[in-house]
Amino acid sequence: NAGVTQTPKFRVLKTGQSMTLLCAQDMNHEYMYWYRQDPGMGLRLIHYSVGEGTTAKGEVPDGYNVSRLKKQNFLLGLESAAPSQTSVYFCASTLTGTDDYGYTFGSGTRLTVV
Amino acid sequence: DQQVKQNSPSLSVQEGRISILNCDYTNSMFDYFLWYKKYPAEGPTFLISISSIKDKNEDGRFTVFLNKSAKHLSLHIVPSQPGDSAVYFCAASQTGANNLFFGTGTRLTVIP
Repeated sequence: NAGVTQTPKFRVLKTGQSMTLLCAQDMNHEYMYWYRQDPGMGLRLIHYSVGEGTTAKGEVPDGYNVSRLKKQNFLLGLESAAPSQTSVYFCASTLTGTDDYGYTFGSGTRLTVV
Repeated sequence: DQQVKQNSPSLSVQEGRISILNCDYTNSMFDYFLWYKKYPAEGPTFLISISSIKDKNEDGRFTVFLNKSAKHLSLHIVPSQPGDSAVYFCAASQTGANNLFFGTGTRLTVIP
């Protein structure tokens, strides 16, 4: 099905370990985003990309890095995981930054850092 | 600092009645507002949006109202159905900015 696919869906990491979350979209969208969702808080933007080869910081970028080497993929990396990064991570994409139909989200990655 | 606020964490409504979900924002530069619906273990899905040049937008059973002077918007669902049970997020953005600011969500339960 067309849309945004996130892998993995679940992951448990030990403090200090690294990992990469993959987001793939097949809608030819230019813009892609990584959000995190924490209890009692709305979704908060980590990093985003306005096109292949570009990345920019969002509200909460510390501790994360991203890459957009191909238009359809947006990778989120944690170099040294911390318990504070325990969260549900959502990737989203949109054709332009102001689509009338909003963002298309993936189903999320639940990450636990112990 | 939360720029978009949903002060009701939960709401229960009888099937067939109206559900009203509220959202307040603090940034007067926001000019585009959206509602998303989220089921467990799924990502948010777009429901309805409204531009600041309007005060109302309808789509079937869903209507969003915007009161710019009060910095307040609301989502009306009528009639409510059990399948509407989900978490609803309000979001806001500013033209030219590359971010949506989300509220904390309201969990709607429609009782059959």
